[in-house]
Amino acid sequence: DAKTTQPNSMESNEEEPVHLPCNHSTISGTDYIHWYRQLPSQGPEYVIHGLTSNVNNRMASLAIAEDRKSSTLILHRATLRDAAVYYCILRDGTLGGTASKLTFGTGTRLQVTL
Amino acid sequence: DTAVSQTPKYLVTQMGNDKSIKCEQNLGHDTMYWYKQDSKKFLKIMFSYNNKELIINETVPNRFSPKSPDKAHLNLHINSLELGDSAVYFCASSQRTWTATGELFFGEGSRLTVL
Repeated sequence: DAKTTQPNSMESNEEEPVHLPCNHSTISGTDYIHWYRQLPSQGPEYVIHGLTSNVNNRMASLAIAEDRKSSTLILHRATLRDAAVYYCILRDGTLGGTASKLTFGTGTRLQVTL
Repeated sequence: DTAVSQTPKYLVTQMGNDKSIKCEQNLGHDTMYWYKQDSKKFLKIMFSYNNKELIINETVPNRFSPKSPDKAHLNLHINSLELGDSAVYFCASSQRTWTATGELFFGEGSRLTVL
């Protein structure tokens, strides 16, 4: 599985935007970029995913570099409830459905303060 | 209603014992998974099942035996427990076509402590 590199931790103030970076310099053309987050004492939760174009949903935005070697998860207004570990994951897009899997790294621990 | 539910949430047992963790999903999904999160917080896939058929087996010791009585349930049985089995075990589920939506749905985890 192609590897991702994320900062161990980041801090943000509440109500401010947060940009969580992820480097994936060895990404292949068929790898999808997934983001999940894990709140304390809970299971991981899907945030967003994309392939080449930037993506927006109700939780966040995903900005993908033109060469796809990095991406940024953007939380537009961080709240205390967004404090979690955020995982950037590459998924092999040549494997469909049931054979496909997510391989989690160490993620970025986001702290949100008042 | 909890979408993916696991029982028990906490399990403390002695080395050498056999234990089971149960998982049920009410999302109508046809694929279920077990993941293990160790003390260093690495989350690794162990198994996946689609419609009761084993699809992914990530070189997990034979002491771990998943069982899927139907597509809404995937139980994990562990024989001869070892200290290194202490971890949080997460069950997850998805539609077979989950790669389009990107979504796996995880349970809240079962923390296993082996003494």
